[in-house]
Amino acid sequence: GQNIDQPTEMTATEGAIVQINCTYQTSGFNGLFWYQQHAGEAPTFLSYNVLDGLEEKGRFSSFLSRSKGYSYLLLKELQMKDSASYLCAVTNQAGTALIFGKGTTLSVSS
Amino acid sequence: GAVVSQHPSRVICKSGTSVKIECRSLDFQATTMFWYRQFPKKSLMLMATSNEGSKATYEQGVEKDKFLINHASLTLSTLTVTSAHPEDSSFYICSARDPTSGRANTQYFGPGTRLTVL
Repeated sequence: GQNIDQPTEMTATEGAIVQINCTYQTSGFNGLFWYQQHAGEAPTFLSYNVLDGLEEKGRFSSFLSRSKGYSYLLLKELQMKDSASYLCAVTNQAGTALIFGKGTTLSVSS
Repeated sequence: GAVVSQHPSRVICKSGTSVKIECRSLDFQATTMFWYRQFPKKSLMLMATSNEGSKATYEQGVEKDKFLINHASLTLSTLTVTSAHPEDSSFYICSARDPTSGRANTQYFGPGTRLTVL
């Protein structure tokens, strides 16, 4: 089966850099996703990693190590609007649906 | 990116009634859609995978007779919560996979439906 672990909460200040870690165990791997979810809203897609390494997209970067079952989401130049829940997800065994971790609630203060 | 709509955004109903939630892919055809539910401050829990023209695949522990899913066209899937009870109150979110996307497994989420059963 799938098991995904990420910290429950993190805090940071505006302008700082924060790294949100995610470890996973899965019986079949078809890529790892990061989504952002603001309270009461649906998740929005941030990144997708299927090969090892770092993918950079503006202020957000995502890293994957398949051998270690590990990923992180790096957020630079934090802004207040980055306060949200960040969800790590992997595909299910059939390779169709997404299985989400519990999410990391990030609070950015001024 | 791909756009998914969901209707209604909020619904309040009496216990024992049925509620239908629609999920539409607006600018792409989705052979597969997914239904999730989310309790407050919890993560998304996959309920079922909806396949166009065939029966939905339900996750373990999800009652298929209670949560009826119909995927009659390539742009529409519906979830009907039958004989709703207060414990069914939750945030229901659908998603769809855009097969033309370079990242074939990427799912795009609808805005969600807040169901409150009195």
